[in-house]
Amino acid sequence: DAKTTQPPSMDCAEGRAANLPCNHSTISGNEYVYWYRQIHSQGPQYIIHGLKNNETNEMASLIITEDRKSSTLILPHATLRDTAVYYCIVRVGYGGATNKLIFGTGTLLAVQP
Amino acid sequence: EAGVAQSPRYKIIEKRQSVAFWCNPISGHATLYWYQQILGQGPKLLIQFQNNGVVDDSQLPKDRFSAERLKGVDSTLKIQPAKLEDSAVYLCASSPELRGGYEQYFGPGTRLTVT
Repeated sequence: DAKTTQPPSMDCAEGRAANLPCNHSTISGNEYVYWYRQIHSQGPQYIIHGLKNNETNEMASLIITEDRKSSTLILPHATLRDTAVYYCIVRVGYGGATNKLIFGTGTLLAVQP
Repeated sequence: EAGVAQSPRYKIIEKRQSVAFWCNPISGHATLYWYQQILGQGPKLLIQFQNNGVVDDSQLPKDRFSAERLKGVDSTLKIQPAKLEDSAVYLCASSPELRGGYEQYFGPGTRLTVT
């Protein structure tokens, strides 16, 4: 699986959009970009994933650059409950032999009141 | 639907003792995972089951760790004997088999402290 690079920490004001970047310059054509988050003392929680098109769900939006070497997770209106470590992971999605997720150290997003 | 259940939530043992963790995945999920998360790091996969068969245990320290998933439902992870470096949160996750690379659902974890 390709490796990802994320900033170790970011701050965001409550009510503003949080934009979390991720670099994955060695991503392969069949690898998806997944985002999970982990709130303190809880297990990781799936947020969103995509291959090449931008994706949106009730939690967030995922913007993937045309060359797929980087992506941005957008939380449109951050709240204090969004304070968490956000993990960007690239892996073979459908049809892979395993569903292995390789977590890095992620980005600690601190939403400020 | 009910989430992934794990017990106990916390455990403190002395080194060289043994310990066991239990996980009950989401009903109907064929794939079950155990992860180890050391403080300040992301989770690391220890073992993956598909029903009651092992798919990947390449990162499991087999000299002291063992895991089983009898009847393809709940699972136990055991450490015997424990070392200080085993202090970590042990996370269980499950995912539906037929949905390929869909998301994994994680339990709250068991925090193990080895003294």
